[in-house]
Amino acid sequence: DVKVTQSSRYLVKRTGEKVFLECVQDMDHENMFWYRQDPGLGLRLIYFSYDVKMKEKGDIPEGYSVSREKKERFSLILESASTNQTSMYLCASGGGGSNQPQHFGDGTRLSIL
Amino acid sequence: QKEVEQNSGPLSVPEGAIASLNCTYSDRGSQSFFWYRQYSGKSPELIMSIYSNGDKEDGRFTAQLNKASQYVSLLIRDSQPSDSATYLCAVNYRYTGNQFYFGTGTSLTVIP
Repeated sequence: DVKVTQSSRYLVKRTGEKVFLECVQDMDHENMFWYRQDPGLGLRLIYFSYDVKMKEKGDIPEGYSVSREKKERFSLILESASTNQTSMYLCASGGGGSNQPQHFGDGTRLSIL
Repeated sequence: QKEVEQNSGPLSVPEGAIASLNCTYSDRGSQSFFWYRQYSGKSPELIMSIYSNGDKEDGRFTAQLNKASQYVSLLIRDSQPSDSATYLCAVNYRYTGNQFYFGTGTSLTVIP
């Protein structure tokens, strides 16, 4: 089974802090994704990566950055956390090719105070 | 703009009934279609994938794809209270690699 591991299930930070969310997958997948999920808005793509050191902006990249130094690890960075970034953050990974599903981690519920 | 539309519900069915969930998509370049189940407070879990027109069955679940009409559906037979969750439809377009477009989900409640 595919295993996608997010570093924290719950996280509380203060406004202005730099926040790191880590994601590791064990299936040698090329593709990794960061989403946020808010009630009524569904899943929104923040950033994704097709390869090591590669990154692409999703629909809502403002206020976020990412890092992919190793194939198995994809990090999401909130440069200066704000209260409107309070959300559920979901990491996913998927194999190459359009027929491959994405597999999700357990999610990180982040609260910015 | 690639859109994936789902009826947000809530959809309520009695235990043992068939639950029917529908999803429409806007781009004819769509290639792959996935259904995820998400329990409250949990992350999405893949339950079905379908790539060709017609039906695909897996246990109590059947996915149906009609590319001409641009819709994909999920049928859950013999619905159980444990099926109560939000169901997300995801579409992968031919030219976007592994990037998915998600619907906002349909909330299903199975009443004992």
